[in-house]
Amino acid sequence: GNSVTQMEGPVTLSEEAFLTINCTYTATGYPSLFWYVQYPGEGLQLLLKATKADDKGSNKGFEATYRKETTSFHLEKGSVQVSDSAVYFCALMGYSTLTFGKGTMLLVSP
Amino acid sequence: NAGVTQTPKFQVLKTGQSMTLQCAQDMNHNSMYWYRQDPGMGLRLIYYSASEGTTDKGEVPNGYNVSRLNKREFSLRLESAAPSQTSVYFCASSGDRGRPYDEQFFGPGTRLTVL
Repeated sequence: GNSVTQMEGPVTLSEEAFLTINCTYTATGYPSLFWYVQYPGEGLQLLLKATKADDKGSNKGFEATYRKETTSFHLEKGSVQVSDSAVYFCALMGYSTLTFGKGTMLLVSP
Repeated sequence: NAGVTQTPKFQVLKTGQSMTLQCAQDMNHNSMYWYRQDPGMGLRLIYYSASEGTTDKGEVPNGYNVSRLNKREFSLRLESAAPSQTSVYFCASSGDRGRPYDEQFFGPGTRLTVL
């Protein structure tokens, strides 16, 4: 079946540091890939997505590239802000349902 | 345009009690979902409804029932609550079944504690 593996957190960074959160997946076929973000006390919201190999999704300074050869979709941001503190979930879309990773908490200090 | 709404926001039950979590969306989406979120487990799909009139089991359906009341509303029922059902429950909706790039929109969640 489908599965998503994310690096465990929390990831603790200072403001303006570079961020990488690793995500790898196992799936049959060619799934679409997503990063969702959950701010404290809220539901999840879509951050970015990629639908085919070599696609790069980007939003709010975050980027992730769909790498079929390494089955990866790592999330990156060049300069994090305190307001980026949240839990980040990598996910893949099978036929009609999402499979989520366990989430990675990001804590950014001033 | 409220998006996805859930009621209640918080609930405390005793073991064996029953309750229904309500979810509604105003985006005219076809598909709706119920997830539970537990520490260190990510989100796990309980049930989903690909379209009005259909429901399917997800990864963790035991102990739950669902009703797709109409296109807008999708409820989750716990017939006899157990402490293992203590969790945060999220409802989500999306536009079209089977579209590989479809985005799911999430509600704010219901925090349920079963004593």
